[in-house]
Amino acid sequence: GAGVSQSPSNKVTEKGKDVELRCDPISGHTALYWYRQRLGQGLEFLIYFQGNSAPDKSGLPSDRFSAERTGESVSTLTIQRTQQEDSAVYLCASSLWAGPSNEQFFGPGTRLTVL
Amino acid sequence: AQRVTQPEKLLSVFKGAPVELKCNYSYSGSPELFWYVQYSRQRLQLLLRHISRESIKGFTADLNKGETSFHLKKPFAQEEDSAMYYCALSGGSNYKLTFGKGTLLTVNP
Repeated sequence: GAGVSQSPSNKVTEKGKDVELRCDPISGHTALYWYRQRLGQGLEFLIYFQGNSAPDKSGLPSDRFSAERTGESVSTLTIQRTQQEDSAVYLCASSLWAGPSNEQFFGPGTRLTVL
Repeated sequence: AQRVTQPEKLLSVFKGAPVELKCNYSYSGSPELFWYVQYSRQRLQLLLRHISRESIKGFTADLNKGETSFHLKKPFAQEEDSAMYYCALSGGSNYKLTFGKGTLLTVNP
């Protein structure tokens, strides 16, 4: 079946502009995670959605970052007033539910470049 | 706080040689450890998890709670093993993954 998809695959924007990144999880997966990977760094957790529960936003680096998810489907990550330090690959992952040893399946990522 | 350390950024071995990718972690509770792999131009994918105690593509990893380590090993490396390897820890109520910075393994012919 189809895996996790993300769009766009690449995004170049100017400092100060807003960007929106999209994630389509695997159908039936209730848990969805966003991570960020800056050059030379490991992946950093940003935000987590589980079904209709309130999201865990503890990893969002600033109030310029927000994310939404409609039910158990598509999620969008929005970065307002982008800064150069926001340049990174943004990865989305989904799993059947958030639980022990549940495999997270990753999308291909969106490479964001802020000029 | 959760922390994962992969001390080697780069590791280069010859085909047929043994390989060990190191991973140490810090976590106050009972962690779950994973190895993820990213081959060239492919997405990040799960290689193995400690709870399964399985061997995948000839790789094994043993959780050593005394040394807080979860090193990845393979007795005879193959060229197709060349990839970026990430050690990850899952803990807490949301089961988010905390990743190390990764080790780029190159297996030379």
